[in-house]
Order: sequence, then structure tokens, then C-alpha cells
Amino acid sequence: AQSVTQLGSHVSVSEGALVLLRCNYSSSVPPYLFWYVQYPNQGLQLLLKYTTGATLVKGINGFEAEFKKGETSFHLTKPSAHMSDAAEYFCAVRPYTGANSKLTFGKGITLSVRP
Amino acid sequence: NAGVTQTPKFQVLKTGQSMTLQCAQDMNHEYMSWYRQDPGMGLRLIHYSVGAGITDQGEVPNGYNVSRSTTEDFPLRLLSAAPSQTSVYFCASSYSRDAADTQYFGPGTRLTVL
Repeated sequence: AQSVTQLGSHVSVSEGALVLLRCNYSSSVPPYLFWYVQYPNQGLQLLLKYTTGATLVKGINGFEAEFKKGETSFHLTKPSAHMSDAAEYFCAVRPYTGANSKLTFGKGITLSVRP
Repeated sequence: NAGVTQTPKFQVLKTGQSMTLQCAQDMNHEYMSWYRQDPGMGLRLIHYSVGAGITDQGEVPNGYNVSRSTTEDFPLRLLSAAPSQTSVYFCASSYSRDAADTQYFGPGTRLTVL
């Protein structure tokens, strides 16, 4: 079984400030890791994912995340927030193998960006 | 490509009514799934399909039925709507059942059950 913890439900940053959205997970088998973004009244869009290879993953819109196996974390960062980054962000995990491998989402974090 | 499409966008039902939420994809994706999104709970998997004619239950299947007669379509049926089924429903698809595949999401259906 797997689970995802996203601490806090809301993060507010100033435009130009660092964005840090935390994600910790637990999984009985090594997982693949994903970050999705949801803009108001839209579906989810993939930001980035870690499957294999380099543990620092770069995604769209300047976001990146680092897979830290020992810490079971996959925190999302962006050096400088933009107003257009205001959205809800979901971390998700999926066991890399198994007949019943399914995507499990965290509860989501709403990011607000202040002018 | 239209990607993943869902109809209707909004729906209001009375308790006990039935309805079908439509989902279609034009990417020849093998894997399709339905999620519901509730405030503070993220997305939870309702049902999924690994190919035409094959479906299976997810985390919260009760009160919902699915079928997959074609690769393109994956409708979700509410048999007898209840207020607890008020939610936003998302359909998603991916190229295969491979865990590394990206899931592409539709725009969602916002359902209210009175």
C-alpha cells in the first residue's frame, strides 16, 4: 500500500519568492513519483515525474523536484514565483510494478502568489 | 487531437436518479480511469480499465458502474444518486498500464446531488 502526505493545505508566497511545496510518501515497493497542477476549473496537468535516472527532475514552467529515497520525499520547488503559478498542486505516487499498481494522490496544496 | 473529453460539464440530480458521465479519448490509449475530487481529500480512484472489455475497482467503487466496450469510451454510471456522490469527477487516460506513463486528465464534470 502507498500513501502521500502533503503538509498544510495552503501556501502563500510573494511574487519572485522561492516556492517550496512538500511531499512525503510511503510505499511498500519503490514508486514512481509525480507532481500535477490544477488551475481553477480545469483538469490536472502533469508538471514533472520521476521514474528512473537522475534524481533531480525538471518540469514545465520552471518547476523542479528532487527524489530523496532515504527521506521518502519529493518536494517541489521553483526559484521565483510568478502570479500565473497560483493553482492547486498534487503530489502522487504509483508503485513501479504489480498488477494492481495505481496512482495515489495527496490531498493537494493551494498556492497563492501575492503581488 | 481533442485529448480526453468529458460530458456534461455540470449536472444536478435528485436523490435516487441515475445518470451516465461520458468520457472519450482520441489518443488510442489503453488505460483509462475515473477519479472523484472532494475538498481536502485529493483525487480518489473509482474504477479503471486496462483495455476494452476489462475493468476493475479502485478505492471508492460503491454506487458506480463502468464498462469499456471500445478503446475510446469509458462511461461512468451512477445507479441511484446520493448526496454523498456530490463531487467533481475526472476521467484520465494513459498509453498503457505501465506505471511510468503519464495520465492525461479531462476537464471534469461537476455533479451536485440534491
